[in-house]
Amino acid sequence: GDSVTQMEGPVTLSEEAFLTINCTYTATGYPSLFWYVQYPGEGLQLLLKATKADDKGSNKGFEATYRKETTSFHLEKGSVQVSDSAVYFCALRVQGAQKLVFGQGTRLTINP
Amino acid sequence: DTGVSQDPRHKITKRGQNVTFRCDPISEHNRLYWYRQTLGQGPEFLTYFQNEAQLEKSRLLSDRFSAERPKGSFSTLEIQRTEQGDSAMYLCASSLGRDTVYGYTFGSGTRLTVV
Repeated sequence: GDSVTQMEGPVTLSEEAFLTINCTYTATGYPSLFWYVQYPGEGLQLLLKATKADDKGSNKGFEATYRKETTSFHLEKGSVQVSDSAVYFCALRVQGAQKLVFGQGTRLTINP
Repeated sequence: DTGVSQDPRHKITKRGQNVTFRCDPISEHNRLYWYRQTLGQGPEFLTYFQNEAQLEKSRLLSDRFSAERPKGSFSTLEIQRTEQGDSAMYLCASSLGRDTVYGYTFGSGTRLTVV
């Protein structure tokens, strides 16, 4: 079946550090890929997306590139801020399906 | 429109009781989804509506669970004879159109605790 695997957290970094959160997937069809972010006490928010191989999604300084050959969609940010502290979820949606399949989430804490 | 609203935010109930949650989607969104999120895990799909029609149900949705979306507007999720394993965050999301490639808009969730 379809699945998403994220690097285990929690991840703790200092402000201005470089961030990578790994995400790999298994899909029976051709998926669209997403990163969602969940701030404390809030709902999940779409951070970025990519719909086909080699697409790069970007938003708020975060980037992720759809790598079909490695079935990966790693999240990166060059310089993190305290306000980036949240839980990050990688997700996929197979073409023709309605549901999103999520990874288990990675809790990120940024210290000043 | 302020987004997807869920009510209540928190619910504590005794085992064996019935509970009902409500979701109000973004008004122009014709698709509505329910997910369940347990501690330390990502959300898991439960069911999906297009307008008032329930088009897909996960096998996670046992006979004790029922969801409705009368008139294609708000939706309710009812759990009968709650069990401790039902304790989780119940998330509602909505989207517009045939293609959800742009992702959903999620509500803040209803946290259920069964004691």
